[in-house]
Amino acid sequence: GESVGLHLPTLSVQEGDNSIINCAYSNSASDYFIWYKQESGKGPQFIIDIRSNMDKRQGQRVTVLLNKTVKHLSLQIAATQPGDSAVYFCAERYGNNRLAFGKGNQVVVIP
Amino acid sequence: GAGVSQSPSNKVTEKGKDVELRCDPISGHTALYWYRQSLGQGLEFLIYFQGNSAPDKSGLPSDRFSAERTGGSVSTLTIQRTQQEDSAVYLCASSSQNANTEAFFGQGTRLTVV
Repeated sequence: GESVGLHLPTLSVQEGDNSIINCAYSNSASDYFIWYKQESGKGPQFIIDIRSNMDKRQGQRVTVLLNKTVKHLSLQIAATQPGDSAVYFCAERYGNNRLAFGKGNQVVVIP
Repeated sequence: GAGVSQSPSNKVTEKGKDVELRCDPISGHTALYWYRQSLGQGLEFLIYFQGNSAPDKSGLPSDRFSAERTGGSVSTLTIQRTQQEDSAVYLCASSSQNANTEAFFGQGTRLTVV
């Protein structure tokens, strides 16, 4: 279902290290998944997406992995930079073109 | 415009007053979402419009909240008799009917009830 307002889990990562952000989605019929990044004071912005017929997709410094068996999505950020500090949301699309968002994860990059 | 536009960007209102928040989605987008985000928290779903279908209002927290979407384009979220716990950022997003396309978010309206 939809996320409910809760304090966000936080991942602290050293600059230059790789980050992994995890997301459990809820609907086995979902066929499209998206990762969003939200910087302070801004609306969420698209990072990368993946269709359900794929299990991995790579972008610039980011990789999304999809495990449909356990309904799990992850976002890997290579060589994390201070500009990567943000809240990251996963989203799934199901039925009638509807998007549902995960609770979000706060990433803090330590210089 | 090129993106989703929300107005006002900031709104300070007195407790008990009514407020209207506006969202201009991307032209041609049939789906429109309203979310609420309290400080340091995740996205709380409020309402979803899809084309001419009846909106999904299941996320509206009380009957003080309502939303409409006129002509399948602009949407207005109305909060009546505002309370301090309504203070939050209200985000609007829109997406097209095409499968496998993301939703685009506006910058949000920061509502402060004093």
